[in-house]
Amino acid sequence: DTEVTQTPKHLVMGMTNKKSLKCEQHMGHRAMYWYKQKAKKPPELMFVYSYEKLSINESVPSRFSPECPNSSLLNLHLHALQPEDSALYLCASSPATGGYSGANVLTFGAGSRLTVL
Amino acid sequence: AQSVTQPDIHITVSEGASLELRCNYSYGATPYLFWYVQSPGQGLQLLLKYFSGDTLVQGIKGFEAEFKRSQSSFNLRKPSVHWSDAAEYFCAVGAGGSYIPTFGRGTSLIVHP
Repeated sequence: DTEVTQTPKHLVMGMTNKKSLKCEQHMGHRAMYWYKQKAKKPPELMFVYSYEKLSINESVPSRFSPECPNSSLLNLHLHALQPEDSALYLCASSPATGGYSGANVLTFGAGSRLTVL
Repeated sequence: AQSVTQPDIHITVSEGASLELRCNYSYGATPYLFWYVQSPGQGLQLLLKYFSGDTLVQGIKGFEAEFKRSQSSFNLRKPSVHWSDAAEYFCAVGAGGSYIPTFGRGTSLIVHP
Protein backbone atom coordinates (compact mmCIF):
# COMPACT_ATOMS: atom_id res chain seq x y z
CA ASP A 1 0.00 0.00 0.00
CA THR A 2 1.68 3.19 -1.20
CA GLU A 3 -1.10 5.67 -0.58
CA VAL A 4 -1.99 8.46 1.76
CA THR A 5 -5.74 8.69 2.23
CA GLN A 6 -7.43 11.93 3.25
CA THR A 7 -11.03 12.44 4.32
CA PRO A 8 -13.22 14.26 3.63
CA LYS A 9 -12.39 15.37 0.09
CA HIS A 10 -14.53 18.47 0.49
CA LEU A 11 -15.64 20.31 3.62
CA VAL A 12 -17.76 23.42 4.02
CA MET A 13 -17.98 24.93 7.47
CA GLY A 14 -19.12 28.06 9.19
CA MET A 15 -16.85 30.19 11.34
CA THR A 16 -18.31 28.79 14.55
CA ASN A 17 -18.14 25.12 13.59
CA LYS A 18 -15.75 22.46 14.83
CA LYS A 19 -14.61 19.93 12.27
CA SER A 20 -11.69 17.60 11.66
CA LEU A 21 -9.62 16.50 8.70
CA LYS A 22 -8.25 12.97 8.74
CA CYS A 23 -5.23 11.35 7.14
CA GLU A 24 -4.09 7.74 7.09
CA GLN A 25 -1.06 5.91 5.70
CA HIS A 26 0.02 2.27 5.90
CA MET A 27 3.51 2.54 4.46
CA GLY A 28 5.24 2.32 7.84
CA HIS A 29 6.31 5.95 7.56
CA ARG A 30 7.27 7.60 10.84
CA ALA A 31 6.90 11.23 9.76
CA MET A 32 3.62 12.89 8.85
CA TYR A 33 2.93 16.41 7.68
CA TRP A 34 0.15 18.94 7.18
CA TYR A 35 0.49 21.48 4.38
CA LYS A 36 -1.85 24.30 3.40
CA GLN A 37 -2.13 25.27 -0.26
CA LYS A 38 -3.93 28.33 -1.61
CA ALA A 39 -4.89 28.54 -5.26
CA LYS A 40 -1.94 29.01 -7.63
CA LYS A 41 0.53 28.84 -4.71
CA PRO A 42 2.98 26.23 -3.47
CA PRO A 43 2.20 24.09 -0.42
CA GLU A 44 3.10 25.77 2.87
CA LEU A 45 4.24 23.61 5.75
CA MET A 46 2.05 23.77 8.85
CA PHE A 47 3.01 20.87 11.13
CA VAL A 48 5.36 17.91 11.23
CA TYR A 49 5.03 14.84 13.41
CA SER A 50 8.03 12.59 13.85
CA TYR A 51 7.50 9.30 15.67
CA GLU A 52 4.08 10.56 16.77
CA LYS A 53 5.49 13.65 18.44
CA LEU A 54 4.99 17.17 17.15
CA SER A 55 8.40 18.28 15.94
CA ILE A 56 7.58 21.36 13.87
CA ASN A 57 4.82 23.95 14.20
CA GLU A 58 5.28 26.73 11.66
CA SER A 59 3.62 29.39 13.83
CA VAL A 60 0.17 28.20 12.85
CA PRO A 61 -2.81 29.88 14.60
CA SER A 62 -4.28 27.92 17.48
CA ARG A 63 -7.58 27.50 15.64
CA PHE A 64 -5.72 24.66 13.88
CA SER A 65 -4.94 21.81 16.25
CA PRO A 66 -3.04 18.75 15.00
CA GLU A 67 -3.18 15.31 16.55
CA CYS A 68 -1.30 12.09 15.83
CA PRO A 69 -3.13 9.25 17.61
CA ASN A 70 -0.75 6.58 16.25
CA SER A 71 1.90 6.10 13.61
CA SER A 72 -0.68 5.65 10.82
CA LEU A 73 -3.13 8.43 11.60
CA LEU A 74 -2.96 12.20 11.53
CA ASN A 75 -5.81 14.56 12.30
CA LEU A 76 -6.25 18.29 11.94
CA HIS A 77 -8.91 19.75 14.23
CA LEU A 78 -10.51 22.97 13.04
CA HIS A 79 -12.31 25.49 15.22
CA ALA A 80 -13.42 29.08 14.74
CA LEU A 81 -11.82 29.35 11.32
CA GLN A 82 -11.82 32.45 9.17
CA PRO A 83 -12.78 32.70 5.48
CA GLU A 84 -9.11 33.22 4.61
CA ASP A 85 -8.43 29.72 5.92
CA SER A 86 -10.24 28.32 2.89
CA ALA A 87 -7.66 26.25 1.02
CA LEU A 88 -6.58 22.76 0.00
CA TYR A 89 -5.13 20.95 3.00
CA LEU A 90 -2.59 18.33 2.07
CA CYS A 91 -1.36 15.51 4.24
CA ALA A 92 1.96 13.85 3.46
CA SER A 93 4.15 11.17 4.96
CA SER A 94 7.81 10.18 4.65
CA PRO A 95 9.97 7.40 6.04
CA ALA A 96 11.42 9.80 8.61
CA THR A 97 12.89 13.27 8.92
CA GLY A 98 16.56 14.11 8.90
CA GLY A 99 19.55 14.17 6.66
CA TYR A 100 19.85 10.66 5.26
CA SER A 101 18.81 10.18 1.67
CA GLY A 102 15.25 8.97 1.23
CA ALA A 103 14.09 10.11 4.65
CA ASN A 104 12.23 13.13 3.38
CA VAL A 105 10.70 11.79 0.20
CA LEU A 106 7.13 12.92 0.68
CA THR A 107 4.09 10.92 -0.40
CA PHE A 108 1.03 13.17 -0.59
CA GLY A 109 -2.66 12.52 -0.22
CA ALA A 110 -5.18 13.99 -2.66
CA GLY A 111 -6.09 16.74 -0.20
CA SER A 112 -9.16 18.06 1.58
CA ARG A 113 -10.72 21.13 0.00
CA LEU A 114 -11.92 23.37 2.84
CA THR A 115 -14.34 26.26 2.38
CA VAL A 116 -15.08 28.51 5.35
CA LEU A 117 -18.23 30.61 5.04
CA ALA B 1 18.20 28.69 5.04
CA GLN B 2 17.61 27.11 1.69
CA SER B 3 15.47 28.65 -1.04
CA VAL B 4 14.27 27.57 -4.45
CA THR B 5 13.34 29.64 -7.47
CA GLN B 6 11.24 28.66 -10.44
CA PRO B 7 11.61 31.61 -12.82
CA ASP B 8 8.76 30.69 -15.15
CA ILE B 9 5.17 31.04 -13.94
CA HIS B 10 3.73 29.60 -17.16
CA ILE B 11 5.21 27.55 -19.97
CA THR B 12 3.28 26.79 -23.17
CA VAL B 13 4.38 24.04 -25.52
CA SER B 14 2.87 22.14 -28.41
CA GLU B 15 2.15 18.47 -28.02
CA GLY B 16 5.16 16.48 -29.18
CA ALA B 17 7.60 19.31 -28.52
CA SER B 18 10.41 19.11 -26.00
CA LEU B 19 10.15 20.67 -22.55
CA GLU B 20 12.52 22.20 -20.05
CA LEU B 21 11.36 23.65 -16.73
CA ARG B 22 13.89 25.64 -14.78
CA CYS B 23 14.73 25.41 -11.10
CA ASN B 24 17.49 27.18 -9.17
CA TYR B 25 18.31 26.74 -5.53
CA SER B 26 20.28 28.59 -2.92
CA TYR B 27 22.16 26.58 -0.33
CA GLY B 28 25.78 26.34 0.77
CA ALA B 29 26.16 22.61 0.20
CA THR B 30 24.44 20.11 -2.07
CA PRO B 31 20.82 19.83 -1.04
CA TYR B 32 18.32 17.12 -1.74
CA LEU B 33 16.32 18.07 -4.83
CA PHE B 34 12.87 16.99 -5.97
CA TRP B 35 10.36 17.59 -8.74
CA TYR B 36 6.66 17.08 -8.03
CA VAL B 37 3.66 17.35 -10.35
CA GLN B 38 0.14 18.39 -9.36
CA SER B 39 -2.96 17.98 -11.49
CA PRO B 40 -5.89 20.33 -10.75
CA GLY B 41 -7.52 19.63 -7.39
CA GLN B 42 -5.12 16.79 -6.64
CA GLY B 43 -2.20 16.11 -4.36
CA LEU B 44 1.43 16.21 -5.44
CA GLN B 45 3.13 13.25 -7.11
CA LEU B 46 6.89 12.74 -7.00
CA LEU B 47 8.46 12.73 -10.48
CA LEU B 48 12.10 12.29 -9.48
CA LYS B 49 14.68 13.09 -6.83
CA TYR B 50 18.41 13.73 -6.49
CA PHE B 51 20.50 13.03 -3.44
CA SER B 52 24.00 12.37 -4.78
CA GLY B 53 25.88 10.52 -7.50
CA ASP B 54 24.96 10.61 -11.17
CA THR B 55 23.82 14.14 -11.96
CA LEU B 56 21.31 13.01 -14.61
CA VAL B 57 18.27 11.56 -12.89
CA GLN B 58 15.51 9.58 -14.56
CA GLY B 59 11.97 9.78 -13.26
CA ILE B 60 8.50 8.58 -14.01
CA LYS B 61 6.40 9.49 -17.06
CA GLY B 62 9.51 9.97 -19.24
CA PHE B 63 10.89 12.92 -17.26
CA GLU B 64 14.53 13.50 -16.41
CA ALA B 65 16.41 16.21 -14.55
CA GLU B 66 20.03 17.28 -14.46
CA PHE B 67 21.80 18.62 -11.38
CA LYS B 68 24.39 21.28 -12.20
CA ARG B 69 26.33 22.34 -9.15
CA SER B 70 28.09 25.20 -10.94
CA GLN B 71 24.74 26.76 -11.86
CA SER B 72 22.84 25.74 -8.70
CA SER B 73 20.19 24.33 -11.00
CA PHE B 74 18.04 21.24 -11.28
CA ASN B 75 16.10 21.60 -14.52
CA LEU B 76 13.37 19.18 -15.54
CA ARG B 77 13.21 17.91 -19.12
CA LYS B 78 11.04 15.76 -21.33
CA PRO B 79 11.82 15.06 -25.00
CA SER B 80 8.21 14.88 -26.20
CA VAL B 81 5.29 16.34 -24.27
CA HIS B 82 1.85 14.72 -24.18
CA TRP B 83 -1.40 16.58 -23.58
CA SER B 84 -1.76 14.71 -20.27
CA ASP B 85 1.41 16.42 -19.00
CA ALA B 86 -0.50 19.68 -18.56
CA ALA B 87 -0.27 20.37 -14.82
CA GLU B 88 1.53 22.40 -12.18
CA TYR B 89 5.16 21.45 -11.58
CA PHE B 90 6.95 22.16 -8.31
CA CYS B 91 10.66 22.02 -7.65
CA ALA B 92 11.58 21.41 -4.01
CA VAL B 93 14.76 21.62 -1.98
CA GLY B 94 15.56 19.74 1.21
CA ALA B 95 18.46 21.04 3.26
CA GLY B 96 19.45 22.24 6.70
CA GLY B 97 18.80 20.35 9.90
CA SER B 98 15.51 18.67 9.08
CA TYR B 99 15.85 18.43 5.28
CA ILE B 100 12.09 18.90 4.97
CA PRO B 101 11.41 20.02 1.40
CA THR B 102 10.71 23.67 0.68
CA PHE B 103 8.71 24.20 -2.50
CA GLY B 104 9.20 26.69 -5.30
CA ARG B 105 6.23 28.72 -6.47
CA GLY B 106 5.48 26.30 -9.29
CA THR B 107 5.38 26.41 -13.08
CA SER B 108 2.11 25.87 -14.89
CA LEU B 109 2.54 23.79 -18.04
CA ILE B 110 0.04 24.37 -20.84
CA VAL B 111 0.05 21.94 -23.75
CA HIS B 112 -1.43 22.96 -27.10
CA PRO B 113 -2.69 20.22 -29.45
